[in-house]
Amino acid sequence: AQSVTQLDSQVPVFEEAPVELRCNYSSSVSVYLFWYVQYPNQGLQLLLKYLSGSTLVESINGFEAEFNKSQTSFHLRKPSVHISDTAEYFCAVSASGSARQLTFGSGTQLTVLP
Amino acid sequence: EPEVTQTPSHQVTQMGQEVILRCVPISNHLYFYWYRQILGQKVEFLVSFYNNEISEKSEIFDDQFSVERPDGSNFTLKIRSTKLEDSAMYFCASTLWDRVGYTFGSGTRLTVV
Repeated sequence: AQSVTQLDSQVPVFEEAPVELRCNYSSSVSVYLFWYVQYPNQGLQLLLKYLSGSTLVESINGFEAEFNKSQTSFHLRKPSVHISDTAEYFCAVSASGSARQLTFGSGTQLTVLP
Repeated sequence: EPEVTQTPSHQVTQMGQEVILRCVPISNHLYFYWYRQILGQKVEFLVSFYNNEISEKSEIFDDQFSVERPDGSNFTLKIRSTKLEDSAMYFCASTLWDRVGYTFGSGTRLTVV
């Protein structure tokens, strides 16, 4: 079984400042890792994923995450945030192999302040 | 971009009543899922469905729950006799077998009164 820990439930940050949302996981098997974003009253949107290969993955809107196997982490970073990045961010993990259930962290509410 | 569509967006039902939540997954996807998110809590896996049968289910998915793909496009979650604690946001998701990424619908908020 897998588990995910998102250490920060709330992260307030000023516009144009950098941000890091932390995610740690535990698993006895190889995993795939995901970040999802949920805007108010909307569903979960895939932000980025790590399946294999390069440990640094990027999204189209400037976020990036790095898979660190030794530290069992998959932290999400953005060098300069915008007001529109305000949302809840969920880290998720699944066992590698054929399509499997996702295990989610408890989420981090990112609030970008003007 | 292809979407997973869920209806209704919000449903209110009385305790003990049956509800059916509906989802239209992306047409060429092969795996289908239901997740739920109780207010203030984590998103939790309920069930996965592949090749017209349940492939995995969680402890939450007891005999009160069932899933069906009645016509090759819809994917439904039925709760036979709703309880207050079934109040949650229910998300449908689908994915291709090659794990390009799970696509979630926008959810159905179920309120049991």
